[in-house]
Amino acid sequence: GQNIDQPTEMTATEGAIVQINCTYQTSGFNGLFWYQQHAGEAPTFLSYNVLDGLEEKGRFSSFLSRSKGYSYLLLKELQMKDSASYLCAPMDSNYQLIWGAGTKLIIKP
Amino acid sequence: GAVVSQHPSWVICKSGTSVKIECRSLDFQATTMFWYRQFPKQSLMLMATSNEGSKATYEQGVEKDKFLINHASLTLSTLTVTSAHPEDSSFYICSAREGQGLETQYFGPGTRLLVL
Repeated sequence: GQNIDQPTEMTATEGAIVQINCTYQTSGFNGLFWYQQHAGEAPTFLSYNVLDGLEEKGRFSSFLSRSKGYSYLLLKELQMKDSASYLCAPMDSNYQLIWGAGTKLIIKP
Repeated sequence: GAVVSQHPSWVICKSGTSVKIECRSLDFQATTMFWYRQFPKQSLMLMATSNEGSKATYEQGVEKDKFLINHASLTLSTLTVTSAHPEDSSFYICSAREGQGLETQYFGPGTRLLVL
């Protein structure tokens, strides 16, 4: 079957760095997306990885290891507005995104 | 970035009525649109995938006669919840992508439906 494993909740301090891990199993693989979803809002696109390695985009970076079925999202210089859920969504062989429950990130002052 | 709009953002209706939700891609042509439902503190649940000009593909367990999807143009898809009941109350979100493959899905802001 297809599944995604992310921590349910994480807490970090404003200004710090946090890494949100994701392991996945899919039928085929066409890359992995990370989305941010604030409470009561729709998801917004953060990053896409299809090749192994690290993609950096400002304060956010995303890493992928295809052989390990593993990805992480790294958030630097955390701000209060980063409090949200972060969704790891791999794309399967049918170009469908597979969704888990995401990781709720709580930022404390 | 790509912008997807949804209308209305909030709907409150009586049980038994039908509700139509519109999803529009504003600055790109959406070959494929997706409709999701999300209950509080739960993951996104894909309801159906629609390609412009063809019938929607519904996920298992989603009643196609209850959730009518029309994707008549490259910028507009509609979801009609027919004969809505309180258990249909949820957050409905559409997303759109330009092609049928590796393109990014961009989400609309969502529609909160409350059926009394």
